[in-house]
Amino acid sequence: NAGVTQTPKFRVLKTGQSMTLLCAQDMNHEYMYWYRQDPGMGLRLIHYSVGEGTTAKGEVPDGYNVSRLKKQNFLLGLESAAPSQTSVYFCASSRSGGRNQPQHFGDGTRLSIL
Amino acid sequence: AQTVTQSQPEMSVQEAETVTLSCTYDTSESDYYLFWYKQPPSRQMILVIRQEAYKQQNATENRFSVNFQKAAKSFSLKISDSQLGDAAMYFCAYRSARAGGATNKLIFGTGTLLAVQP
Repeated sequence: NAGVTQTPKFRVLKTGQSMTLLCAQDMNHEYMYWYRQDPGMGLRLIHYSVGEGTTAKGEVPDGYNVSRLKKQNFLLGLESAAPSQTSVYFCASSRSGGRNQPQHFGDGTRLSIL
Repeated sequence: AQTVTQSQPEMSVQEAETVTLSCTYDTSESDYYLFWYKQPPSRQMILVIRQEAYKQQNATENRFSVNFQKAAKSFSLKISDSQLGDAAMYFCAYRSARAGGATNKLIFGTGTLLAVQP
């Protein structure tokens, strides 16, 4: 069972470059999330989606864009990468926003911006 | 806004011994969920145990159990018979019970790095 798959696993970018992180889930989940994890700060929500074609801002959305064109995919884009975006990015999904629906996480993407 | 605090950046336990990781949280809500996630060096976030705030009984999952003190807003994780494979970063997390949207997001603590000594 694949669960939540993130690609790539590692990437190094130069300041100003753009890139897209892909998250794919095969569990038919409605909700998907992008978090970033920084040392000493736990995980923080960047953007989320409650269904195909919908996205919304989370706690730290600046500098990122997302798209949910297909239910199984949630893309996180960096239009002009900045060193402050060096982080580990986690995608998660859940069946719905209903009671007691756990979030399933991918393995993370380590992104370094030089 | 809700916050989650883990005051122990690092902990160490001997193999086969018991260790307790602390977590406190702040919220004005009465209905919510609490979680403990394990993150080994592989970076994968693994759900260890979860507690529903309206349930008074503490959750247990094999060697893992919680001590949920709702009035004190405390949610500690006890690992019994510690094993080498338990070594990881452990995150406490909070989620509102209100359905939908950003209210479904997880609010994480800063983590506790657990080392298991052979």
